[in-house]
Amino acid sequence: GENVEQHPSTLSVQEGDSAVIKCTYSDSASNYFPWYKQELGKGPQLIIDIRSNVGEKKDQRIAVTLNKTAKHFSLHITETQPEDSAVYFCAAVGGKSTFGDGTTLTVKP
Amino acid sequence: EAGVAQSPRYKIIEKRQSVAFWCNPISGHATLYWYQQILGQGPKLLIQFQNNGVVDDSQLPKDRFSAERLKGVDSTLKIQPAKLEDSAVYLCASSLGSSGGAYETQYFGPGTRLLVL
Repeated sequence: GENVEQHPSTLSVQEGDSAVIKCTYSDSASNYFPWYKQELGKGPQLIIDIRSNVGEKKDQRIAVTLNKTAKHFSLHITETQPEDSAVYFCAAVGGKSTFGDGTTLTVKP
Repeated sequence: EAGVAQSPRYKIIEKRQSVAFWCNPISGHATLYWYQQILGQGPKLLIQFQNNGVVDDSQLPKDRFSAERLKGVDSTLKIQPAKLEDSAVYLCASSLGSSGGAYETQYFGPGTRLLVL
């Protein structure tokens, strides 16, 4: 089955800096890659996604890149703010969703 | 638009007891998912319904877990008997279901936190 590895597990940045989270997947049949933000006591919420026929997608301060050949995709957050502090999950979807184990992002004011 | 509702929010039981979780998806969403999220890990899909039919239950421990979605709306997930390793957050999610789950945004409920003692 699909295996998704996510790095780093924790990330601490200063407000205004950029944050990058990376994921690799194993199943070449995966064709959809969503990213979720999970705040304490809440369910994951979709923040951005990318399909396998696209290499990059941007939405304001958030961008995602996909390298199908290398089977990895990344989340980039620019101009980080304290409210960006949360756990971020990547997922690979090829029929069903397989999630990474999450990155705890802390943005220090 | 109301989100995915789940109850209870918290549950503490002793091992070998049974427990049930309830989920009400977003109105009109045909696809419903149950995930298990163990502390420090990502959600793991347990079962996926399309209307009231099962699409995928390959990771559901069927000797102790069961789920149903009567009338294609609400769903119940049951554990009987519970084990210590079942301690986790159980998340319910729903999506429109118009493309069989592919490329669809999943909307998650707040989850039920289960502690098995």
